[in-house]
Amino acid sequence: EAQVTQNPRYLITVTGKKLTVTCSQNMNHEYMSWYRQDPGLGLRQIYYSMNVEVTDKGDVPEGYKVSRKEKRNFPLILESPSPNQTSLYFCAILYTGELFFGEGSRLTVL
Amino acid sequence: GQQLNQSPQSMFIQEGEDVSMNCTSSSIFNTWLWYKQDPGEGPVLLIALYKAGELTSNGRLTAQFGITRKDSFLNISASIPSDVGIYFCAGLSGGSYIPTFGRGTSLIVHP
Repeated sequence: EAQVTQNPRYLITVTGKKLTVTCSQNMNHEYMSWYRQDPGLGLRQIYYSMNVEVTDKGDVPEGYKVSRKEKRNFPLILESPSPNQTSLYFCAILYTGELFFGEGSRLTVL
Repeated sequence: GQQLNQSPQSMFIQEGEDVSMNCTSSSIFNTWLWYKQDPGEGPVLLIALYKAGELTSNGRLTAQFGITRKDSFLNISASIPSDVGIYFCAGLSGGSYIPTFGRGTSLIVHP
């Protein structure tokens, strides 16, 4: 069964303090992606990756970076977080034509 | 990016009632996915549809892939309090790995 694990689940930080949200999968799926979810706006894609060292911007990439050095992991990096990046973040994989999400990481930037 | 038109935005119903919601798009999709999300949790896949006209059930849930491939419907029969949550759809085009999402239908079930 496809499993997506995110850490941390909850984080409160301050403006400008770099942070990383990790995402790992239990199988060698090629496609991984990051989304943010905000009230009234739904899910918006930040970045996605089709394979190792292959990443591309989604709809709202500003202020975020990603890396895909190995298939299992796809960390989301906020180099200098700002309050408008306070949101609920989801990592997801595409498996057998279906999208599976992690449990989410709620980030608050003060 | 594009988003799907999902309606209704919210529903307040009595336990035991049936529920219907739908998603429409100006684009054609090859796959429709329906999710349920509880507050603060990750979306959980309920039903996946792969063929135009396909009707698929999962317990009290039934979803249909519209004939035009531009819409999909989700029905919940005999609702119960644990059906409370946000339901949203996602569409995938052929060969694409980038889904398009609806904004969700918030369902509240009164006991």
